[in-house]
Amino acid sequence: SQQGEEDPQALSIQEGENATMNCSYKTSINNLQWYRQNSGRGLVHLILIRSNEREKHSGRLRVTLDTSKKSSSLLITASRAADTASYFCATEHQAGTALIFGKGTTLSVSS
Amino acid sequence: DSGVTQTPKHLITATGQRVTLRCSPRSGDLSVYWYQQSLDQGLQFLIQYYNGEERAKGNILERFSAQQFPDLHSELNLSSLELGDSALYFCASSSRPGGNTGELFFGEGSRLTVL
Repeated sequence: SQQGEEDPQALSIQEGENATMNCSYKTSINNLQWYRQNSGRGLVHLILIRSNEREKHSGRLRVTLDTSKKSSSLLITASRAADTASYFCATEHQAGTALIFGKGTTLSVSS
Repeated sequence: DSGVTQTPKHLITATGQRVTLRCSPRSGDLSVYWYQQSLDQGLQFLIQYYNGEERAKGNILERFSAQQFPDLHSELNLSSLELGDSALYFCASSSRPGGNTGELFFGEGSRLTVL
């Protein structure tokens, strides 16, 4: 299966702390994306990083990609209670193919 | 609001029945994707349409079918329903030309419960 795997499955932190989630995949990619899902709601796109990029920033989000290790990480800095959600990585393995989603990391940020 | 509309939001039905889930993509988006989300399987890709034509198939059961109409809305038909079909079904759309994937915009989903 091409499905990515996020690690950890669950993460609990305090407000103000940083949260790091990792994603690994098995075959080469065209791009990798991160999505957020609040409980029972639709997924929301956070950031896209192409296979020739190593790092990307968006506000408090920092994404890295290591294609040699077939892995990516999502860092959320200075977490807030509102960041509580599930976070999914999704891989596009060839241009134009559907995104393959991992099973997600559930982040809980307590105040 | 992603601009993708899915109906119904909730659906409860019995085993053996058939249901139709509807999706209206964002204005101008030609690509529509259907995903199934369940606790044990995660988010599974079912099928993709681009401008009315089937573009790719994923883990879609033979009991399931879909189509995209000329006005670009899409319907997912689920028949001979089983308990295991209970899940959240998402539609997503993309604005990339030529059917390239890019960023997906998801609807709020249709929660199907099969009793």
